[in-house]
Amino acid sequence: GQQLNQSPQSMFIQEGEDVSMNCTSSSIFNTWLWYKQDPGEGPVLLIALYKAGELTSNGRLTAQFGITRKDSFLNISASIPSDVGIYFCAGQRHNNDMRFGAGTRLTVKP
Amino acid sequence: DVKVTQSSRYLVKRTGEKVFLECVQDMDHENMFWYRQDPGLGLRLIYFSYDVKMKEKGDIPEGYSVSREKKERFSLILESASTNQTSMYLCASSTPGRFAYGYTFGSGTRLTVV
Repeated sequence: GQQLNQSPQSMFIQEGEDVSMNCTSSSIFNTWLWYKQDPGEGPVLLIALYKAGELTSNGRLTAQFGITRKDSFLNISASIPSDVGIYFCAGQRHNNDMRFGAGTRLTVKP
Repeated sequence: DVKVTQSSRYLVKRTGEKVFLECVQDMDHENMFWYRQDPGLGLRLIYFSYDVKMKEKGDIPEGYSVSREKKERFSLILESASTNQTSMYLCASSTPGRFAYGYTFGSGTRLTVV
């Protein structure tokens, strides 16, 4: 079953604000990934993290792989309206065992 | 552009019908997956396949079966559709390797069972 606790469940923010969301688990993962799902579409990979402590950026997005390998966070700086969507964390132990969080629904008010 | 294509974006079926959801990928990926997505529950794995004619149960396989006769195609079958199977269904594929490069998802099929 689902083993990842993702928070918050939803966020309503003003355009230009920074956003932070995180994911925790009772299990260790070898890889952490963050996906974004636009309305009516499938999730798309944003960032993948492969080593404990790793901090990776992709434009205005920054994600970190927790030192304990049981958590990860995603930050979005200076949000814009097209950041709207559902963000999923995912942890992977081995090649074909990927677990997803329940998602964070982000709404950005212009 | 590499793709995972799900045959239908929206489907409405009656209770008791046998339903087929089709998924095709053009990336020569070995691994394919079927998830269902429900509000507050995220993505839950139904079935997956590592190779042609191979299948493994995920976390919620009850009421579903799958077929993988060709490498590029992975079908999800609802043997007798029920209203609690109303959901968004997502197909994904990936290639095996030491590091996870993530899954490529299709756009989803929103199934309503009435």
